[in-house]
Amino acid sequence: SQTIHQWPATLVQPVGSPLSLECTVEGTSNPNLYWYRQAAGRGLQLLFYSVGIGQISSEVPQNLSASRPQDRQFILSSKKLLLSDSGFYLCAWDGGGDTQYFGPGTRLTVL
Amino acid sequence: GNSVTQMEGPVTLSEEAFLTINCTYTATGYPSLFWYVQYPGEGLQLLLKATKADDKGSNKGFEATYRKETTSFHLEKGSVQVSDSAVYFCALSPQVSGTYKYIFGTGTRLKVLA
Repeated sequence: SQTIHQWPATLVQPVGSPLSLECTVEGTSNPNLYWYRQAAGRGLQLLFYSVGIGQISSEVPQNLSASRPQDRQFILSSKKLLLSDSGFYLCAWDGGGDTQYFGPGTRLTVL
Repeated sequence: GNSVTQMEGPVTLSEEAFLTINCTYTATGYPSLFWYVQYPGEGLQLLLKATKADDKGSNKGFEATYRKETTSFHLEKGSVQVSDSAVYFCALSPQVSGTYKYIFGTGTRLKVLA
């Protein structure tokens, strides 16, 4: 069966520090991968999606970037965090069908 | 464009009460519709889905019917439990260029009191 992992689970970082969040999927190949952000008390915002290695589409211009160095690995990065980057970051995948499956999330607090 | 509108929360109910969470959508074509649930501190779990008009999705006592004429996908449960306390998200999936870029509602927090 397929599983999706995210780490770290929680992270507290100072403003201006770099960020790297990792997502990996097991049990499938060539998934579509997605990064979402959920700000406190708000809905989900799609940040990036990827249909294959090295293929990244950005939905919202901002302080973040994404990379897909391997088929089942999706990384969210920032060179310098802002206070507004705080939130709950969710990775998701689909196998080309219409259903997305979500990871457990990473809670990021920028101080 | 595509959009999803959910009723504002929080919704507070007593155990065994009837639940309705309203969801309406705007979309071109025939999107798939979903309800996801998020328990505190966790990711989203698929609760149910429907892929065409008049389909009824159901799971764990929850159900929702895809109503094209009213562009709605309301979530219902006949008797809620304390363990149903969570945030519920309605979403639609229009196919765009081979990927399924979901449009989510803002979520509705449900609190069930014993």
